[in-house]
Amino acid sequence: DVKVTQSSRYLVKRTGEKVFLECVQDMDHENMFWYRQDPGLGLRLIYFSYDVKMKEKGDIPEGYSVSREKKERFSLILESASTNQTSMYLCASSRALGGNYGYTFGSGTRLTVV
Amino acid sequence: KNEVEQSPQNLTAQEGEFITINCSYSVGISALHWLQQHPGGGIVSLFMLSSGKKKHGRLIATINIQEKHSSLHITASHPRDSAVYICALFTGNQFYFGTGTSLTVIP
Repeated sequence: DVKVTQSSRYLVKRTGEKVFLECVQDMDHENMFWYRQDPGLGLRLIYFSYDVKMKEKGDIPEGYSVSREKKERFSLILESASTNQTSMYLCASSRALGGNYGYTFGSGTRLTVV
Repeated sequence: KNEVEQSPQNLTAQEGEFITINCSYSVGISALHWLQQHPGGGIVSLFMLSSGKKKHGRLIATINIQEKHSSLHITASHPRDSAVYICALFTGNQFYFGTGTSLTVIP
């Protein structure tokens, strides 16, 4: 079974902390994505990466950065966590960019910033 | 203005009922995805459509490109179908996500 694994299901952090959310896929996919999901707003793209060390901003990149040093791992970094970053974070990967290929999602990390 | 609208937002059904979830959109698309999100957060891709109809088990997805409309049908619904169903559009360079339909199937 192909998998996208997110390192934590639930996380509680303090305002101002630096937070790392990790995502690993075992499908040799080129493309990886980070989304956040909030009630009434649906999924919103934060960043994506189409190759190692490559990254592109999504719709809401402010307050976030990403790192992709290896093909299988895509990290989302909250440089200084704030309460408005409390959300569900979902990682996904796909074989190619574009919606004409299937996406595989991780099980999500519910982050609470207090 | 929302590029993708789902209806209904919430749906409660008795086990065994036939269920329809609708997705209407206003942009040109190259593909439409139906996603399922169970309580706890994980998302599973159910279908990817660019035309016509697809069937997988009790699930059927249809799309009418001219009318910019897609439907997800569940036949003989079961409590394990309880989840949020999300319609996602790909336009060729961008994804748009619906806010989801929360389905509860009661035994």
